[in-house]
Amino acid sequence: DAGITQSPRHKVTETGTPVTLRCHQTENHRYMYWYRQDPGHGLRLIHYSYGVKDTDKGEVSDGYSVSRSKTEDFLLTLESATSSQTSVYFCAISGDRGPNYGYTFGSGTRLTVV
Amino acid sequence: GQQLNQSPQSMFIQEGEDVSMNCTSSSIFNTWLWYKQEPGEGPVLLIALYKAGELTSNGRLTAQFGITRKDSFLNISASIPSDVGIYFCAGQLRAGNNRKLIWGLGTSLAVNP
Repeated sequence: DAGITQSPRHKVTETGTPVTLRCHQTENHRYMYWYRQDPGHGLRLIHYSYGVKDTDKGEVSDGYSVSRSKTEDFLLTLESATSSQTSVYFCAISGDRGPNYGYTFGSGTRLTVV
Repeated sequence: GQQLNQSPQSMFIQEGEDVSMNCTSSSIFNTWLWYKQEPGEGPVLLIALYKAGELTSNGRLTAQFGITRKDSFLNISASIPSDVGIYFCAGQLRAGNNRKLIWGLGTSLAVNP
């Protein structure tokens, strides 16, 4: 069930290079989120958006920026990739209420910084 | 950052056994969510709870929103091999524009056929 897709699924990049990950939704949900998942740390929120051009920082936002120019797209940029940013990145969406309230996650992007 | 206390950290059970896991917090939550994650995929929502005391089922899964609003429980009855995965709890503190969730570190479930 597409509805939310992340691209790319895998990426290897060099230290110091900028990297952009894309999240695309077809559900017209208001809220979008970027998480990273690392062993022993669980899911940690990087940034989130509560509308077009409305974004806010999560708990691990240093070194990351986001943009949301359209409802359906939420971009995560690593301004200058470091090895500590090697991780699996998940995008999630959520609606306002009812069955859409719980987050729906994408399949993830596995990023390796060498 | 803040995290929920989720236990147990891992479980290894025989097929057919029942499973129980729980999450506790020092904070009061408005919403509790339970997710399952399989290898190579994102977490998938299993059950959402919105009221203290609420008991909700999804097939063989049953979850409860604790009366104190500081805990939640997930039970799986008659486990089968496809129940294998990591189960996460998540709670939400406030409504409005802040939709951030607080997450547990997960319970890894292995089922021996």
